[in-house]
Amino acid sequence: QVQLVESGGGLVKPGGSLRLSCAASGFTFSDYYMSWIRQAPGKGLEWVSYISSSSSYTNYADSVKGRFTISRDNAKNSLYLQMNSLRAEDTAVYYCARERGGMTTSAFDIWGQGTMVTVSS
Amino acid sequence: QSVLTQPPSVSGAPGQRVTISCTGSSSNIGAGYDVHWYQQLPGTAPKLLIYGNSNRPSGVPDRFSGSKSGTSASLAISGLQAEDEADYYCQSYDSSLSGYVFGTGTKVTVL
Repeated sequence: QVQLVESGGGLVKPGGSLRLSCAASGFTFSDYYMSWIRQAPGKGLEWVSYISSSSSYTNYADSVKGRFTISRDNAKNSLYLQMNSLRAEDTAVYYCARERGGMTTSAFDIWGQGTMVTVSS
Repeated sequence: QSVLTQPPSVSGAPGQRVTISCTGSSSNIGAGYDVHWYQQLPGTAPKLLIYGNSNRPSGVPDRFSGSKSGTSASLAISGLQAEDEADYYCQSYDSSLSGYVFGTGTKVTVL
């Protein structure tokens, strides 16, 4: 079945780095734009970054621009998020999500279960 | 900071109809970008409920409906059921941010 499974979360000190992965299955991964979305404990959803199907286009929320890098490997059906210079306010559950529709009209129709990132000393 | 504003909470008795508003601006909903809605049950990932303002994915009951007008959108839940207790989020695209935006979220309580 169509599935996204995140991994790579954990506890990291402020200023540290972490790389999240998202394994896709059950659909043609290379056909879809993908995004990372996060949710701080007890808070709402915040879009973090998207990447186009062929990696030609990426974009980031201002809150992570210059610190996070999104990438994908279509041969491995995998999405990644490299997170550097982590701050306490980056503490959240990170979800990968598949986009349906065009770039500016996209809805997120498939979500992973999420992976928790905690930034604390 | 969310640029789409939703009421923090709404409630209703079983069988009643409730609506959730999502207020944006001229750079997102008012610019004509589609609005989508998600349901997040406690401890789970969000689930797409409405896409393209008013369309339901396969498997979503027709008790859920969406609409959009001007700089706002609404989600209606008719025939409220206990399993509808969840958080609901709207989402759109914002041209000034060049990215996706979510609403502040609304907790629905079934009395």
